[in-house]
Amino acid sequence: GESVGLHLPTLSVQEGDNSIINCAYSNSASDYFIWYKQESGKGPQFIIDIRSNMDKRQGQRVTVLLNKTVKHLSLQIAATQPGDSAVYFCAEKEGYNTDKLIFGTGTRLQVFP
Amino acid sequence: GAVVSQHPSWVICKSGTSVKIECRSLDFQATTMFWYRQFPKQSLMLMATSNEGSKATYEQGVEKDKFLINHASLTLSTLTVTSAHPEDSSFYICSAKADRGNEKLFFGSGTQLSVL
Repeated sequence: GESVGLHLPTLSVQEGDNSIINCAYSNSASDYFIWYKQESGKGPQFIIDIRSNMDKRQGQRVTVLLNKTVKHLSLQIAATQPGDSAVYFCAEKEGYNTDKLIFGTGTRLQVFP
Repeated sequence: GAVVSQHPSWVICKSGTSVKIECRSLDFQATTMFWYRQFPKQSLMLMATSNEGSKATYEQGVEKDKFLINHASLTLSTLTVTSAHPEDSSFYICSAKADRGNEKLFFGSGTQLSVL
């Protein structure tokens, strides 16, 4: 079936460096993508989203890039801080007529001082 | 932003008992809510879609008689794990969608269920 997956299960970065978390998706019909941050024992927290008619979207310290040609999504975090340590999930809206999200496997981001 | 409250945050129960988890949208009406479960170090797996006033739609492999979902109002959905067994121990998370045309989902804080 269709799936959303991640390349790196764990990413370790030094405080102040930039982080890049990658995600591959397989459903070429998906038109909406979201990045979530999940801290231990908590629910996912919305970070940023992007529609398929865009290839880049910026937020506060975060940027999402979408490459539909290779079905690749990335989350860039600038000046990574200890508070950014968490598991990050990409999610994909399953189709145009549905609200269901398919979640990727997750990447753990560890920020070292 | 919109707030989704989930209660309880954790629960421990004996095998064979039933546990009810509540999901409330505090400052918006949620026409659709979703229930997920998450095992340690794994991703969120969608269990069912809950629509206000109608029966829930369950994902393949999810037993509807075991995981009872009730979405009786626009601000409340409940998930009842019936006759819980240790293999039902998991982190259960709900999410709510505000209205049509707004694709953003808001998540509850999750419920950790431990079945002894």
